[in-house]
Amino acid sequence: AQSVTQPDIHITVSEGASLELRCNYSYGATPYLFWYVQSPGQGLQLLLKYFSGDTLVQGIKGFEAEFKRSQSSFNLRKPSVHWSDAAEYFCAVGARGYSTLTFGKGTMLLVSP
Amino acid sequence: ETGVTQTPRHLVMGMTNKKSLKCEQHLGHNAMYWYKQSAKKPLELMFVYSLEERVENNSVPSRFSPECPNSSHLFLHLHTLQPEDSALYLCASSQADNREAYGYTFGSGTRLTVV
Repeated sequence: AQSVTQPDIHITVSEGASLELRCNYSYGATPYLFWYVQSPGQGLQLLLKYFSGDTLVQGIKGFEAEFKRSQSSFNLRKPSVHWSDAAEYFCAVGARGYSTLTFGKGTMLLVSP
Repeated sequence: ETGVTQTPRHLVMGMTNKKSLKCEQHLGHNAMYWYKQSAKKPLELMFVYSLEERVENNSVPSRFSPECPNSSHLFLHLHTLQPEDSALYLCASSQADNREAYGYTFGSGTRLTVV
């Protein structure tokens, strides 16, 4: 079965600084990988996804993620964080032929002025 | 209206009450999901419906009863809940035959408090 690890529960970044959120997955074949963002009291919004091809994926709101098979990682990055990016971020993994996604426990991003 | 809509947004119920959560999607998807999100715990998959058939039930207590009358609507019927059932309940939908291309679309959730 697949699994997802987000090692950081909380991260604080200064506004304007760069951001990297870590995600490691465990799966025997090529996974399908997703990043979602959740603002307080809201549902999850899809930021970006990876299925195949180019390992650097561009998403909405200026986010990108890079799939590194050798490290079993799919880290989320943003070059300059805005205060509105403060939220909880979830990495998820899926597999062809499997009906559901497996989510990590999430990383809470705090943005300081 | 587009996207996934959940009602009500907030619900407070006693342990002896019966209530229902509603989810509606206008995306033309054919799979729908219920997730439970509790503080400090990962998202817990509860039920999966694909083409209106329940295809997955993750050992959820019988006090939670799902219903999917058609591909656009999903309900979660609640009865004799416990305080530990207080959580954010999220509905999601996807295109089951090509889900990997789209991932899930989530609703805003129902915040349930059991008193």
